Amino acid sequence: DGGITQSPKYLFRKEGQNVTLSCEQNLNHDAMYWYRQDPGQGLRLIYYSQIVNDFQKGDIAEGYSVSREKKESFPLTVTSAQKNPTAFYLCASKPGRDGNNEQFFGPGTRLTVL
Amino acid sequence: LAKTTQPISMDSYEGQEVNITCSHNNIATNDYITWYQQFPSQGPRFIIQGYKTKVTNEVASLFIPADRKSSTLSLPRVSLSDTAVYYCLLLSRRALTFGSGTRLQVQP
Repeated sequence: DGGITQSPKYLFRKEGQNVTLSCEQNLNHDAMYWYRQDPGQGLRLIYYSQIVNDFQKGDIAEGYSVSREKKESFPLTVTSAQKNPTAFYLCASKPGRDGNNEQFFGPGTRLTVL
Repeated sequence: LAKTTQPISMDSYEGQEVNITCSHNNIATNDYITWYQQFPSQGPRFIIQGYKTKVTNEVASLFIPADRKSSTLSLPRVSLSDTAVYYCLLLSRRALTFGSGTRLQVQP
């Protein structure tokens, strides 16, 4: 059963703690993305990776870090430097680098920092 | 970075056709116009994509004029389950650029 999985669905953390959100895909997609969504807002790009061992900052990368050691995995770490981390986080993947491939989204992780 | 502009919200009734127009005056040559649908607390879902002229699939049609500075998503005979946020996006090599989307409310 192919797709993108994100875990956990809900995550609670204390302020000042780092937390890592998981994103796995078995679609053999080259590109993977992390977005953040705040209530009533659109998605904002945090980081993206078009190939293994390479990634680029998106529009709101400050306070976040990523790694892409394997094609199928693109974990996102929300560090204590992120001033307002409570949000809905979405991971996505795309088959190739060309513009005409749709992105496939995971179910999302809702992070709440207490 | 090319941005899109679309209405914040729209209301419709079941069975009507809904047209949502998006402006993208600074669209780049390699941008594809892509529409996504999102329900609350779920990831966006791809609806349709086009480069120019008209594209139709089983759920929607996409109209793109020759200058590509705007596009119109057409949803035929909407139902209550079409109540969602619809995003107009420009898909390129980099990533999707999401605006705030159009919140469509379908009434019975």
